[in-house]
Amino acid sequence: AQTVTQSQPEMSVQEAETVTLSCTYDTSENNYYLFWYKQPPSRQMILVIRQEAYKQQNATENRFSVNFQKAAKSFSLKISDSQLGDTAMYFCAFMKHAGAGSYQLTFGKGTKLSVIP
Amino acid sequence: GAVVSQHPSRVICKSGTSVKIECRSLDFQATTMFWYRQFPKQSLMLMATSNEGSKATYEQGVEKDKFLINHASLTLSTLTVTSAHPEDSSFYICSARGGTGSGNQPQHFGDGTRLSIL
Repeated sequence: AQTVTQSQPEMSVQEAETVTLSCTYDTSENNYYLFWYKQPPSRQMILVIRQEAYKQQNATENRFSVNFQKAAKSFSLKISDSQLGDTAMYFCAFMKHAGAGSYQLTFGKGTKLSVIP
Repeated sequence: GAVVSQHPSRVICKSGTSVKIECRSLDFQATTMFWYRQFPKQSLMLMATSNEGSKATYEQGVEKDKFLINHASLTLSTLTVTSAHPEDSSFYICSARGGTGSGNQPQHFGDGTRLSIL
């Protein structure tokens, strides 16, 4: 079974500063996908960024970037120029092929990020 | 972008009532839909996966007779909590993916349903 570990239950960052959220995972799969989702107080799950395991280049989406270390099974999220709207729970997620053409997400326990004005 | 609509957003009802939650994909065909449960300050726990036209696959520990899932069309899945009790109170989130055979299809989430059983 796959596991996703987020070792930081809570973090805070000053507005406009940079913060990095950690995520490690355990799998015997070679082909998989990794995601970071954001869940603001409204509870809606929002996809922030995703990474295909077969790609060596780290994914970036505007202020969000990842540091994907496949051998170390690490997938950290860096948020640059933090904004108040970034305050949310952040979930790291792993997706594997679950057979018969289906795919399944496994979530970490989340990191609560607070951006301080 | 793709939108998943979940309804209702909030339900408060008496113990013993059955509650139906709908999940619709508005602008794509959802070949696979997922139902999650989230307790306060915790992560999402997958309850079941359903493919259109076939029976749902439930995760270990989830009672299939308690949580009835129907995925009758490519745009609609429903979760019915039968004879709900206070311990069923939770936040339920649906999610949908289109396409088959490719993990590159993103998973889109509904806004969730907060269920409170009195």
